[in-house]
Order: sequence, then structure tokens, then C-alpha cells
Amino acid sequence: DAGVIQSPRHEVTEMGQEVTLRCKPISGHDYLFWYRQTMMRGLELLIYFNNNVPIDDSGMPEDRFSAKMPNASFSTLKIQPSEPRDSAVYFCASSLRGGRLSQHFGDGTRLSIL
Amino acid sequence: GENVEQHPSTLSVQEGDSAVIKCTYSDSASNYFPWYKQELGKRPQLIIDIRSNVGEKKDQRIAVTLNKTAKHFSLHITETQPEDSAVYFCAARRDSNYQLIWGAGTKLIIKP
Repeated sequence: DAGVIQSPRHEVTEMGQEVTLRCKPISGHDYLFWYRQTMMRGLELLIYFNNNVPIDDSGMPEDRFSAKMPNASFSTLKIQPSEPRDSAVYFCASSLRGGRLSQHFGDGTRLSIL
Repeated sequence: GENVEQHPSTLSVQEGDSAVIKCTYSDSASNYFPWYKQELGKRPQLIIDIRSNVGEKKDQRIAVTLNKTAKHFSLHITETQPEDSAVYFCAARRDSNYQLIWGAGTKLIIKP
């Protein structure tokens, strides 16, 4: 199995620009999670989906953040407009309800907003 | 709201000694407790997990213990090695909600 695939691995952009992060979950997994990790705030859950439907987006920091899951094999996290304080590592994770309960993480996207 | 407290934030042990990291959870309905290891610049990876119907689980040099009454669980690493150096995260979850509640992490340093 290829695991959770995220792209890009690194993104550097100027503030005000739109940023789109992408995630392909493990095939067959029905839960998908987006996290943000910083030194100051640790690992924060932003939003999660079940069967492509957003279940809890209470962790999304502001309206500048949005996430979609148009199908079972693809999700995006978008920031528009981006700000320097959005700089962080963004992880996507997936899990399978009926199987092992653990979440499997992608390698993350290291985002730097200048 | 639900939360998980993790201690210590940093732990330094001599190579070959044991390391113990402790977590306390607030939601008494939590029934699944995973531990993740995150090496520098890498993704968190599951190393061991335990469900609430079990008091202890071992996998080679690592073990997890759970005290449901006290609502705390611990990670034990024996015979520590340099490759054990990483940040370790505990988490808790209930079956009705697939969201993991995460501890703040423990940076484990193995001194040669």
C-alpha cells in the first residue's frame, strides 16, 4: 500500500497568495483528517471527513481556511489569502472505521509564508 | 472540553536505561489510546496502542499500561537506544467520535 500521499512536500509563497495542499488517503479508508503542527501549538486537528462528508471543522482557524473532499481518494486544504502565521507543517491522515483504529499520517507539507 | 495531559515535556535518559511517559485523559468514555513517535522532520507514526478492555500491552521493548479508574496511561521503553530519540505523542479517543485528542508531546533524548 502506498500510504497517505501529500503534495507538495514544501511550499514557499508570499503572503496574500492562495495556497492549496493536497492529500490522497489510503485506498479504502473512510476517515480523513487534516492537522497543523507548530512548535507553539503542537498538533492541532483542523477538520475531518467521513465518507467524503465534513464532520467537524471546529478546528479551522479562520474563514481563510477551507477544505474539500470531492471523492474518496482526494482532499484539498486551501488557504486564501495566506498570512505568515499560517506557516507550519500540515499533515493529512486517514483511518478505517472497520479495521485498525489508528490514523496513518502522510509525510506532511512544510508551508512557509513570507 | 476533552483533553489529554502529557508529562514530562522533555525526558533525558542514559542509553540502556528505561523511559516512562505518562498521560492523563478527561473523557471517561475514551476507550482507545494510541502512542505515536515522531522523529525530527518526519511524520507521526503509530508505535503501540491499547483498548480500554486491556490493562497492559507489550511489543518488544515498548509497553503501554492503562489505569481506567485513574484515567491515565503510560508508555514504557526499556533498554533505550539512540534511535529512540524522538517526540512521543499520546492520544485518546471514544468509539462514537473518531477524532483523536492529543497530548502535547514528550521530547525523549537518549544520552550516549
